[in-house]
Amino acid sequence: DVVLTQTPPTLSATIGQSVSISCRSSQSLLHSNGNTYLNWLLQRPGQPPQLLIYLVSRLESGVPNRFSGSGSGTDFTLKISGVEAEDLGVYYCVQSTHAPLTFGSGTKLEIK
Amino acid sequence: AVQLVESGGGLVQPKESLKISCAASGFTFSNAAMYWVRQAPGKGLEWVARIRTKPNNYATYYADSVKGRFTISRDDSKSMVYLQMDNLKTEDTAMYYCTVNGEDWGQGVMVTVSS
Repeated sequence: DVVLTQTPPTLSATIGQSVSISCRSSQSLLHSNGNTYLNWLLQRPGQPPQLLIYLVSRLESGVPNRFSGSGSGTDFTLKISGVEAEDLGVYYCVQSTHAPLTFGSGTKLEIK
Repeated sequence: AVQLVESGGGLVQPKESLKISCAASGFTFSNAAMYWVRQAPGKGLEWVARIRTKPNNYATYYADSVKGRFTISRDDSKSMVYLQMDNLKTEDTAMYYCTVNGEDWGQGVMVTVSS
């Protein structure tokens, strides 16, 4: 199975601060069809995961544009440009290029 | 919009069985491989089982931790996916979610295995 290494495990940010989360894959996530199936999820406390970013950099409908994704191959980044209080929770990267689905270990974002 | 609604969770004793269900809507269910993913209390996300589509002979795959004990199935006529869990262990205690490729998620169903 593909291993996704996510860092850092925790982040503490003030409101308005910009932060980044890294997700590195044990193998390229470029599919033979040309797409890269790397998504970012946010799980707020007591809630199921919700999709923020799909196909590396595409913003899910309704997600604020302070969230952005970038990367290619094996290295990916989620950036939050100006953290808001509602952004607290655990962020996961997830890949579906290579079955089975695998997840990063999560990054817990705390608000100072 | 895609909707996934899990049901059937509960409290069971070790070695007992439980079957959970997921009702899907808002997409062409028969064309989609489906997953069950679980999350133990305070832990991360772990894929449990996967079932492919009819053209792929409904092939099934399992995480090593549940192989031989869990069975995933689907009913395309009802847009349902199921997870039959046998010989449950305390370490199977978790919230169970069904998902399509990790994009759309239901609310999940809690399974607690305890004596």
